[in-house]
Amino acid sequence: DAGITQSPRYKITETGRQVTLMCHQTWSHSYMFWYRQDLGHGLRLIYYSAAADITDKGEVPDGYVVSRSKTENFPLTLESATRSQTSVYFCASSAPYGYTFGSGTRLTVV
Amino acid sequence: ELKVEQNPLFLSMQEGKNYTIYCNYSTTSDRLYWYRQDPGKSLESLFVLLSNGAVKQEGRLMASLDTKARLSTLHITAAVHDLSATYFCAVAVTSGTYKYIFGTGTRLKVLA
Repeated sequence: DAGITQSPRYKITETGRQVTLMCHQTWSHSYMFWYRQDLGHGLRLIYYSAAADITDKGEVPDGYVVSRSKTENFPLTLESATRSQTSVYFCASSAPYGYTFGSGTRLTVV
Repeated sequence: ELKVEQNPLFLSMQEGKNYTIYCNYSTTSDRLYWYRQDPGKSLESLFVLLSNGAVKQEGRLMASLDTKARLSTLHITAAVHDLSATYFCAVAVTSGTYKYIFGTGTRLKVLA
């Protein structure tokens, strides 16, 4: 099916572990984004990418790493997970009518 | 730096009533979006507003944009329970960019 697929849907990890959240789009949208959603903060932009091999920081990039070797994939890596990174993570791609969001990944760091 | 503020943050209203959600932003922008999010779900696009005075309507929801005041409103007419959700506005950071800053959201609960 066309769209944006995020995996996993749920993840529990321990403090200090590295974890990667996956995002795949079936279109060829140039722009892709990672947001985190926390109560009281709405959605905050972590990183975004304008094209393959072009990435840039958003509002809250610390502790995260992204890559985009192919247009369709935009993984987000937490290099050493902390409890403050417990959140719901949304990937999105952009078209003229706005974003299309993935289903989200609920990450819990214990 | 672009800041986007929504109010109210929480809204509990009875069915059949009207209400307005406000979205203020701090710097000039050429695009504003409204999204809906149901509990535990992803965000769904509702409206895109591209110019001063733009008005879009879908069912009981109507969105408008005043770029001079840097204000968008989402008006709910004769609310029904199915409209219970969280509503977000999102503002383009700079002209021609696809990078947006989201408001904190308005959690709407419509009581039967």
